[in-house]
Amino acid sequence: DSGVTQTPKHLITATGQRVTLRCSPRSGDLSVYWYQQSLDQGLQFLIQYYNGEERAKGNILERFSAQQFPDLHSELNLSSLELGDSALYFCASSANGRTQETQYFGPGTRLLVL
Amino acid sequence: AQTVTQSQPEMSVQEAETVTLSCTYDTSENNYYLFWYKQPPSRQMILVIRQEAYKQQNATENRFSVNFQKAAKSFSLKISDSQLGDTAMYFCAFIDFGNEKLTFGTGTRLTIIP
Repeated sequence: DSGVTQTPKHLITATGQRVTLRCSPRSGDLSVYWYQQSLDQGLQFLIQYYNGEERAKGNILERFSAQQFPDLHSELNLSSLELGDSALYFCASSANGRTQETQYFGPGTRLLVL
Repeated sequence: AQTVTQSQPEMSVQEAETVTLSCTYDTSENNYYLFWYKQPPSRQMILVIRQEAYKQQNATENRFSVNFQKAAKSFSLKISDSQLGDTAMYFCAFIDFGNEKLTFGTGTRLTIIP
């Protein structure tokens, strides 16, 4: 158990809908990362937050947004969902978001868009 | 752009044998970090081992060790005395300063045969 929690574990929804994925980092970690794992794109970085502020952005679609709250939990919002958004979404956390720190991954949220 | 290549999509080995998973990467940076993550059927991403590029000594964690060849940009993972619980996808990952995201390879599916 990495100490990173993600809810829900599974999510099934329809095209065009909006969903919110939630992540709580390890105790004491200030930085949260979101990654997407899909069959065709592999594991890809989406976005990073540090202490409530966006720090780095990857190939995140405009339909996707995220935020980190004062209690350091983070939410990833996916809207206007398409079939291709079906994937496993991981949250990871590290102490201060520095390069030399190991990122610890949560169990993931499996999203299925029908 | 940083890239990570895992040229072995699948491997299998008998229980108790030793297996080596290959990984090469491309970067123009001199200071960076390399990781091996394991993803068992549960889909959890579990850190196996990490290596700092500035360290000449190869990292080891119990039955897991790496062969880090900086000049060749090679970072292989050796699993000794393989166990059934080692059956998983193994991902090589890379991160360098100024680029906070982990870049992953496409993974190697390892099966330990009883």
